[in-house]
Parts: sequence; structure tokens; C-alpha cells
Amino acid sequence: NAGVMQNPRHLVRRRGQEARLRCSPMKGHSHVYWYRQLPEEGLKFMVYLQKENIIDESGMPKERFSAEFPKEGPSILRIQQVVRGDSAAYFCASSPPGQGGGYTFGSGTRLTVV
Amino acid sequence: KQEVTQIPAALSVPEGENLVLNCSFTDSAIYNLQWFRQDPGKGLTSLLLIQSSQREQTSGRLNASLDKSSGRSTLYIAASQPGDSATYLCAVKPLGTGANSKLTFGKGITLSVRP
Repeated sequence: NAGVMQNPRHLVRRRGQEARLRCSPMKGHSHVYWYRQLPEEGLKFMVYLQKENIIDESGMPKERFSAEFPKEGPSILRIQQVVRGDSAAYFCASSPPGQGGGYTFGSGTRLTVV
Repeated sequence: KQEVTQIPAALSVPEGENLVLNCSFTDSAIYNLQWFRQDPGKGLTSLLLIQSSQREQTSGRLNASLDKSSGRSTLYIAASQPGDSATYLCAVKPLGTGANSKLTFGKGITLSVRP
């Protein structure tokens, strides 16, 4: 039973390029969350998705960031025209249907913008 | 707006000591609380999940308690070992926001257990 799979583990992009981060939830989990972790700032919620639906994107920057969770395939967090301030660890978590389940996190993607 | 606080930010103890990590939250309307461990450069590993109706959960040398009315949780680590060195984060899940909802995290406590 594989856990939450994120790839790539490390991603280096030049300023202005696009970054695509992928997340496959645990088997049986239908809810996906993206969090960003900046040094000294802790984990911050970005977006919550179910298949083909964005449920809550209140933590997403208004520009350059988008997320999707298609019917088939992994969830994608896309950052366009990256800037140095986007350098961070991006974590994906999934949870099962229903209210009581805990979250399972992936190992994260560490994005470095040079 | 829910705020989760973990103090102190860092803690250093000698091996073998029993220790308590504290977590406080401002809004007691929570569905559950989860403790995680994060090793440097790694992801989060779930340690314990406490539902709002529960008072505590135990796993091995770890025991987590929850006092929802006072907005507090503690993670007790018995007989600490150098391998326990990591950052410990607590996170709360709110009530009233749908079937699943976002966690609010504290900034974590970085624990160092000295041999």
C-alpha cells in the first residue's frame, strides 16, 4: 500500500520558468491538499481538491498558481513564471472520505528557483 | 481564525528523559488533532490522531492528550532516545467546514536528544 507519492523530489527552475509538481494520493483517498513550507514559517495551506473539483483555494496566491485533480492521473500544482520567493518545500496530503480520517503526507517537492 | 501555538520552538534534553511537548489552539471547535514528526529535509509522518471526543491516544512510547475546552494538547515522550530528534508538529482540523477540511499547523518544536 504505497503512501502519498510526490514527484519530483527536487526541482530546480530558473526565474520565469514553469514548475509542475505532481501528487498521487493514497489508494482509497479521495481528498488532496497542498501545503507550502517556508523556513521559519511553518506549513501553510494552499488548496484542497477532490476529483475534478477545487473545494477550497483560499490559500493559493491569486496569480501564477493553479491546481487540478483530474478524473484520471495525479493532482498537479502548477506555478507559472516562478520567482525566487517561490522556493520552498511543497507538500501534498490526502485523506479518506468521511470526516474522521487523518491526513497522510507525501515526502514533498523541494523547489529551488535560481 | 484558528491559531495553533507550540512553545518552545526548540528543546534539548539528555537521553532517557521523559518529556512533554505542548500545543495550544485558540478555537476549541475542532474535529480532531493530529501530531506529526518531521525529520530534516523530509516529509511529515503521522504519530497520533485524537478525535475531539477522545482524551488521549497512545502508541509505544508516545502518549498524546487533548483538553478541548482549554485548547491544549500535549505529546508525552517516554524514555527519549537520540532517534527521537526531529521537529514535532501539531495540527487541528476544524468543525463545521464540510466533510474534510484544511488543517491548521503550529510551527513545530525542534527536539534534540543528546546521547
